[in-house]
Amino acid sequence: ELVLTQSPATLSLSPGERATLSCRASQSVSAYLAWYQQKPGQAPRLLIYDASNRATGIPARFSGSGSGTDFTLTISSLEPEDFAVYYCQQRANWPPNEFTFGPGTKVDIK
Amino acid sequence: EVYLLETGGGLMQFGGSLRLSCAASGFAVSSHYMSWVRQAPGKGLEWVSTMYSGGSTYHADSVKGRFTISRDNSKNTLFLEMNSLRAEDTAVYYCARGYSSGLGDAFDIWGQGTMVTVSS
Repeated sequence: ELVLTQSPATLSLSPGERATLSCRASQSVSAYLAWYQQKPGQAPRLLIYDASNRATGIPARFSGSGSGTDFTLTISSLEPEDFAVYYCQQRANWPPNEFTFGPGTKVDIK
Repeated sequence: EVYLLETGGGLMQFGGSLRLSCAASGFAVSSHYMSWVRQAPGKGLEWVSTMYSGGSTYHADSVKGRFTISRDNSKNTLFLEMNSLRAEDTAVYYCARGYSSGLGDAFDIWGQGTMVTVSS
């Protein structure tokens, strides 16, 4: 079973600061990881797919990197609207056709 | 405009049944893989079920044998039939469109969610 671990659980930063979020997979999943942003009371929004590709309409301050078991989401300079919870997600190699989400990292205002 | 609209949530008794619907606009549900993802109050996201364009379906172990995903192409609507409901099924249920880049997979369009509460 694929398990995704995100760290830290909470990241307290100020607007304008750089945020670095980590996602680690329990098994190698190559480069096919996605990142989502969720604000309170809203549905998740796709930010990054295939580890490093920004989804449509996502600002350039969001970037993703990594492969294998270690992935990173970076927000280069936090805007007020970026304070939210971020989830990573992957489809496992085995069992196939099952999707897994990480537990999330909350980015809150320091 | 591309969007998804879930309906059918509510307050249910333990052991009861419920059917959620997800109406799609701007694209055909039969042309994409479609999924249900849930979120218990104050918790993270949990994948529930997926239906592929070819019709194959998959469910998480936590709902296998109790939940069934299906679709009606003529209504462009995805469904989730939920039986033998348990307290731990209490969650917001999101419908999501799958996106496959040919390499990886993600959910690129999400509905606003519908709340299911199971009381004992």
